[in-house]
Amino acid sequence: GAVVSQHPSRVICKSGTSVKIECRSLDFQATTMFWYRQFPKQSLMLMATSNEGSKATYEQGVEKDKFLINHASLTLSTLTVTSAHPEDSSFYICSARDAVREPNQPQHFGDGTRLSIL
Amino acid sequence: GQNIDQPTEMTATEGAIVQINCTYQTSGFNGLFWYQQHAGEAPTFLSYNVLDGLEEKGRFSSFLSRSKGYSYLLLKELQMKDSASYLCAAMDSNYQLIWGAGTKLIIKP
Repeated sequence: GAVVSQHPSRVICKSGTSVKIECRSLDFQATTMFWYRQFPKQSLMLMATSNEGSKATYEQGVEKDKFLINHASLTLSTLTVTSAHPEDSSFYICSARDAVREPNQPQHFGDGTRLSIL
Repeated sequence: GQNIDQPTEMTATEGAIVQINCTYQTSGFNGLFWYQQHAGEAPTFLSYNVLDGLEEKGRFSSFLSRSKGYSYLLLKELQMKDSASYLCAAMDSNYQLIWGAGTKLIIKP
């Protein structure tokens, strides 16, 4: 089955640090990748949708200058949390799908990144 | 607007059967997904329905009625490892997933 790899799985760092999270599709071309955030005991919250080669579309309330998304290739998208603060501590999950050839197929999720800002 | 409703929490007994309901309202419809999410982990895909009727996959089955905007996930022969959150998501006309808040299923011995 389709595999999405997300790295790192856990980050603990000081306030003010910028953190980069990578999301890779290993066996398919991910024309669209999604970045979610999930706080404890809450549902998934879509942060942004990125299409390969174009700017990401951010959901309302998500600061695009704070959460930088780059989707430079069909297999890699990155989320950079700039100048992270304790309130950015959360579980960040990426998902990917081939929106061109398989638009109605399921999104495949990475294993998530648990970010803790001290 | 677009909306997904599912119960917040359900409790069932090991070995029993449980049905988790989901109703949806979306702009257009391209299918209904169910995902399982264990605490601290990412969601994993369970099922996809785009036509009316029941899809069976081992102990798990999923049902869809497009005219009613309704789906359910049926779990049989419940095991303790089935304790998790179950997320319902409907795909709209733009192929975007609209997520429910999830149903936390608690299995008791």
